[in-house]
Amino acid sequence: NAGVTQTPKFQVLKTGQSMTLQCAQDMNHNSMYWYRQDPGMGLRLIYYSASEGTTDKGEVPNGYNVSRLNKREFSLRLESAAPSQTSVYFCASSNVRDRRTKNEQFFGPGTRLTVL
Amino acid sequence: KNQVEQSPQSLIILEGKNCTLQCNYTVSPFSNLRWYKQDTGRGPVSLTIMTFSENTKSNGRYTATLDADTKQSSLHITASQLSDSASYICVVRTQTGANNLFFGTGTRLTVIP
Repeated sequence: NAGVTQTPKFQVLKTGQSMTLQCAQDMNHNSMYWYRQDPGMGLRLIYYSASEGTTDKGEVPNGYNVSRLNKREFSLRLESAAPSQTSVYFCASSNVRDRRTKNEQFFGPGTRLTVL
Repeated sequence: KNQVEQSPQSLIILEGKNCTLQCNYTVSPFSNLRWYKQDTGRGPVSLTIMTFSENTKSNGRYTATLDADTKQSSLHITASQLSDSASYICVVRTQTGANNLFFGTGTRLTVIP
């Protein structure tokens, strides 16, 4: 199993450009999440999807949109990138009903995004 | 306000030495507390998880403790190795709410030879 995969690993954008960060998991998890990680701050939730077909805002959703394409894939879109969106983005997935993992979130390797 | 605070922010120790990282939280109602290890350039990976009734949990050279009364947790690393160099993140889950995970800012540990 590859676990959680993210593409791209690195990206540089100019202010105003758009892009989509891709995430896929092969663990048959119901829930998926997008976080951003900035220096000196804890991981902050942008959006999550509790199950296929549903998405909800997290702590910092402004400037982002998401799509739960199917059970495996959850994408994050920046419509008009801003320098404040320079960050490392992590996708995660979990199975809320799995008592063994106790809803552990499994994280991808991250996408490092720079907006100039 | 639900918060998770970790100390120290950073720590440098010699290979082979022990160290202890601290996590204090004000999250309520408490469900569980998890420690993650995050290597540079990688995503976090779970080390241990503790519920309200558990006060010690070990994973190899890593031992986590939880005092639910004082809302404190610690992560003790024994006989440190160079590969322990990473950030360690404390995450507390509440019992209620859809957005119910609270992340600490992490402790950056550097083990030097």
